[in-house]
Amino acid sequence: QSALTQPAAVSGSPGQSITISCTGTSSDVGGYNHVSWFQQHPGKAPKLMIYDVSNRPSGVSNRFSGSKSGNTASLTISGLQAEDEADYYCSSYTSSSTWVFGGGTKLTVL
Amino acid sequence: QVQLVQSGAEVKKPGASVKVSCKASGYTFTNSHMHWVRQAPGQGLEWMGIITPSEGRTRHAQKLQGRVTMTRDTSTSTVYMELSSLRSEDTAVYYCARDSGKWTFDIWGQGTMVTVSS
Repeated sequence: QSALTQPAAVSGSPGQSITISCTGTSSDVGGYNHVSWFQQHPGKAPKLMIYDVSNRPSGVSNRFSGSKSGNTASLTISGLQAEDEADYYCSSYTSSSTWVFGGGTKLTVL
Repeated sequence: QVQLVQSGAEVKKPGASVKVSCKASGYTFTNSHMHWVRQAPGQGLEWMGIITPSEGRTRHAQKLQGRVTMTRDTSTSTVYMELSSLRSEDTAVYYCARDSGKWTFDIWGQGTMVTVSS
């Protein structure tokens, strides 16, 4: 199972919006609405930000939103804040009844 | 509160085995699957496998076939991940993560650093 494809890095200024893409295949992202997004600060465990493509767990800011079109899912962060600077990973359930992660995207808040 | 507490860092020689524990609290242990995910230094996340605590059934990533064993002890609400025939590429932080019931990982352990070095 190959890793999902994410851009290595994105950046934005405070207050702006950014979008991170996550591209897979019809056997994972395209085949199921079980795409999640995780935020990871240096030295910390990942934190769930979005599940089932566009759902936010309790306590996650509504500045974070998710969507999907075909084999590509996207995470949008609006109103960028300094504390959003982190690594972001997507994941998807797969047709093999396993899970696969993206390679990760480093978000820099300028 | 719901939390997962993992065992401490390990240093192992190539060819050895390592067993990492993950103790759950704050919820009914047998009601949620548990995943194992690892992260090599400076690299991304890699899904390793899943265990069903109620029955002990497991499923793992193909690339770890024959080297990974996941078990559980319901009396102590603890899951274990044992990786054998260690090689330098297995140097990573190993996380346990609870399955939310929505095909994702909602609660993560603090991570266990495993270093494989001669």
